Amino acid sequence: AQSVAQPEDQVNVAEGNPLTVKCTYSVSGNPYLFWYVQYPNRGLQFLLKYITGDNLVKGSYGFEAEFNKSQTSFHLKKPSALVSDSALYFCAVRDSTGGFKTIFGAGTRLFVKA
Amino acid sequence: AAGVIQSPRHLIKEKRETATLKCYPIPRHDTVYWYQQGPGQDPQFLISFYEKMQSDKGSIPDRFSAQQFSDYHSELNMSSLELGDSALYFCASSLAQGVYGQYFGPGTRLTVT
Repeated sequence: AQSVAQPEDQVNVAEGNPLTVKCTYSVSGNPYLFWYVQYPNRGLQFLLKYITGDNLVKGSYGFEAEFNKSQTSFHLKKPSALVSDSALYFCAVRDSTGGFKTIFGAGTRLFVKA
Repeated sequence: AAGVIQSPRHLIKEKRETATLKCYPIPRHDTVYWYQQGPGQDPQFLISFYEKMQSDKGSIPDRFSAQQFSDYHSELNMSSLELGDSALYFCASSLAQGVYGQYFGPGTRLTVT
């Protein structure tokens, strides 16, 4: 069975500093990995994905994520945080061996201070 | 660009009533998903449809059913509503069975009193 863990409920970072939001996963086959962002009372917005290929993937709003197969991780990163990045971030995984079921992590709330 | 449309945006029902939530996916998307998000929780996968056929099932209660119609819109039917059904219900759609990510609608906030 697939699962996703986001070990931090909350991440605090100062504006202009780099940010990292952590995610680890477990699947039986190869993973399809995704990051989504959710603003209050809004739907989730797709940020980026890893399917295959380069381990570093770039997404929307300057975010990127690094796939590490040996550590089964897919951490979200941004070199310079903005106050407007403050939101709830979800990591999600889907098993490539079949099925449409996507499992979301519990979410990490990011606070960026001015 | 067209986005996923959900209706209604807000719905208030009483216990034991029924509710129908509608979803209109992005044109030409072949897969529709339904999620339930309780307060402060992550989205829980309920069910998905690929090309109008049920493709996968998650933690969807037996009191709920869903279908996708010939025009690709989908409806989530919820019967014998319970207080615990109060949540945000998201519909998402995707191309290529979701390999490239899902696009979420704004959600329907269901309140059961």
